[in-house]
Amino acid sequence: KQEVTQIPAALSVPEGENLVLNCSFTDSAIYNLQWFRQDPGKGLTSLLLIQSSQREQTSGRLNASLDKSSGRSTLYIAASQPGDSATYLCAVSVRSNTGKLIFGQGTTLQVKP
Amino acid sequence: DGGITQSPKYLFRKEGQNVTLSCEQNLNHDAMYWYRQDPGQGLRLIYYSQIVNDFQKGDIAEGYSVSREKKESFPLTVTSAQKNPTAFYLCASRMQAGLAGQETQYFGPGTRLLVL
Repeated sequence: KQEVTQIPAALSVPEGENLVLNCSFTDSAIYNLQWFRQDPGKGLTSLLLIQSSQREQTSGRLNASLDKSSGRSTLYIAASQPGDSATYLCAVSVRSNTGKLIFGQGTTLQVKP
Repeated sequence: DGGITQSPKYLFRKEGQNVTLSCEQNLNHDAMYWYRQDPGQGLRLIYYSQIVNDFQKGDIAEGYSVSREKKESFPLTVTSAQKNPTAFYLCASRMQAGLAGQETQYFGPGTRLLVL
């Protein structure tokens, strides 16, 4: 059974720091891995989607990597800003035609001015 | 303005009562999903539907029911059999275009269900 784990559960950093969020999964037979952002009491917003054949994706100050063999993904945030404060969730898609996602518990990030 | 809407934003349930959460999308997406989120936990899949008039149980379907009579709508009913319904409920949709590896899911703003 696929399990997704995110460490740490919470992170607090001063503004301007570069930071890395971690995601690990137990079954390497995935079709894609996605990173989402969730603001308090809101829905999820997709940040990056990495297909199983890819190693990384970039969008602005965000860079996500995928290592299927080790069951790991990282989300790198460069030059963090207070507006980056949110919960970040990773999820893996494990079946080809259903789109079912298995989510990690999330990392809650606080960027202090 | 395309997107997914969920209503109501807050819902209160009395013991023994069934309540229905609404989810509507105008993205012309084929697949729709219902997730439950508890504090400190990730999202867990309740039900999903890949096509009108068809739906499948997710990991935690007990105490819930759904229908998919229209492509745009996927309502979730929380029945009295669900003994711990207090949670944040999120609806999502996805374009059913080939393999899941190519399409992300788009989420609604959520409904918070509380038990009186």
